[in-house]
Amino acid sequence: AQSVTQLDSQVPVFEEAPVELRCNYSSSVSVYLFWYVQYPNQGLQLLLKYLSGSTLVESINGFEAEFNKSQTSFHLRKPSVHISDTAEYFCAVILAPSYNQGGKLIFGQGTELSVKP
Amino acid sequence: EAGVTQFPSHSVIEKGQTVTLRCDPISGHDNLYWYRRVMGKEIKFLLHFVKESKQDESGMPNNRFLAERTGGTYSTLKVQPAELEDSGVYFCASGGIRTEAFFGQGTRLTVV
Repeated sequence: AQSVTQLDSQVPVFEEAPVELRCNYSSSVSVYLFWYVQYPNQGLQLLLKYLSGSTLVESINGFEAEFNKSQTSFHLRKPSVHISDTAEYFCAVILAPSYNQGGKLIFGQGTELSVKP
Repeated sequence: EAGVTQFPSHSVIEKGQTVTLRCDPISGHDNLYWYRRVMGKEIKFLLHFVKESKQDESGMPNNRFLAERTGGTYSTLKVQPAELEDSGVYFCASGGIRTEAFFGQGTRLTVV
């Protein structure tokens, strides 16, 4: 069975500080990896994804995540956070063989990022 | 282009009552998913439609939950009778071929 673990349920940081949200996964089958974000009173939005190619992927708002196969990790980082980054962040995987058929997402528990002034 | 819309946004019902949640996917998306987040826990998959057919319903908790997708368009998720443990946020998502899932804002269900 596949699983995703987000070790930190809450991460408080000050504005302009760097942040890392950790995500580890377990799977015997190749997976594709995703980070979703849920801002207050909104739905889940895709932040970034890794399917293939470069192991470092970036979002349009300055977040990046690096796929590390040996450590089965996909940590999310940002060098300098803003108040507007306050949200809940979810790491998720899809089994690679099922992606083209619309396979289900397997989510971690979520990490609440709270950016303080 | 309209996103995934869910109705209602909130619902409070008594134990034993029936509730029906509705999801309107993005037009043209054949894949439609239901997920649920119970308070404090991870978002869990419930089921997956491809057009009007159930592709995977392995996440449905029990037979009190019934999902339909009429004509391959909107979908409903009915809980009958509702129990306290059914409380949570129910998310719907839709997707095309080789695209990520687009999520709705969710329906917060509270069973009292």
